[in-house]
Amino acid sequence: NAGVTQTPKFQVLKTGQSMTLQCAQDMNHEYMSWYRQDPGMGLRLIHYSVGAGITDQGEVPNGYNVSRSTTEDFPLRLLSAAPSQTSVYFCASSYLRSTEAFFGQGTRLTVV
Amino acid sequence: AQTVTQSQPEMSVQEAETVTLSCTYDTSESDYYLFWYKQPPSRQMILVIRQEAYKQQNATENRFSVNFQKAAKSFSLKISDSQLGDAAMYFCVRTGANNLFFGTGTRLTVIP
Repeated sequence: NAGVTQTPKFQVLKTGQSMTLQCAQDMNHEYMSWYRQDPGMGLRLIHYSVGAGITDQGEVPNGYNVSRSTTEDFPLRLLSAAPSQTSVYFCASSYLRSTEAFFGQGTRLTVV
Repeated sequence: AQTVTQSQPEMSVQEAETVTLSCTYDTSESDYYLFWYKQPPSRQMILVIRQEAYKQQNATENRFSVNFQKAAKSFSLKISDSQLGDAAMYFCVRTGANNLFFGTGTRLTVIP
């Protein structure tokens, strides 16, 4: 049982480059979301989805895009990387908003 | 503001002793859920315990228990018989309409 698979685990980008963080879950969860974790700030919501074809912005959406074409996949795209996007990123999924959220292993992204 | 506050950035406990981590939150919702997640150095987010706001009974999971005071919007975590493996960052989390709100975390050190 894979749970939530998030790739890559580490990435270094140059300012202005674009990339996609992949997230896939095999638990048939409707809720999926992306968070970023910065020192002293906990996890903050970037984007979320309540089902295939439905996405919405979270607290810190600027500079990121998402899409949800299938229940399983929820990729996060950085359009033009900036040093302020250096962070650890987590993908999460849950069956309902009230149930346990399962997290990917995180991606440590450094933008130079 | 719908925030989660953890006022103890760092805590330490002697092995086999008991420690309590504090959490307060703000919400205008009547139906919500509260969690404590543990993040060890591996970066993985692990659910420790879950509390439904409509339940007055405090949740318990083996050595972990909570003191949930709904009127005071307080949700503390008590770890009994602390073990070296309990050393981690602990996050207090509250559900929102479609996402999770995280506190800034408490780093717990367990002293042998």
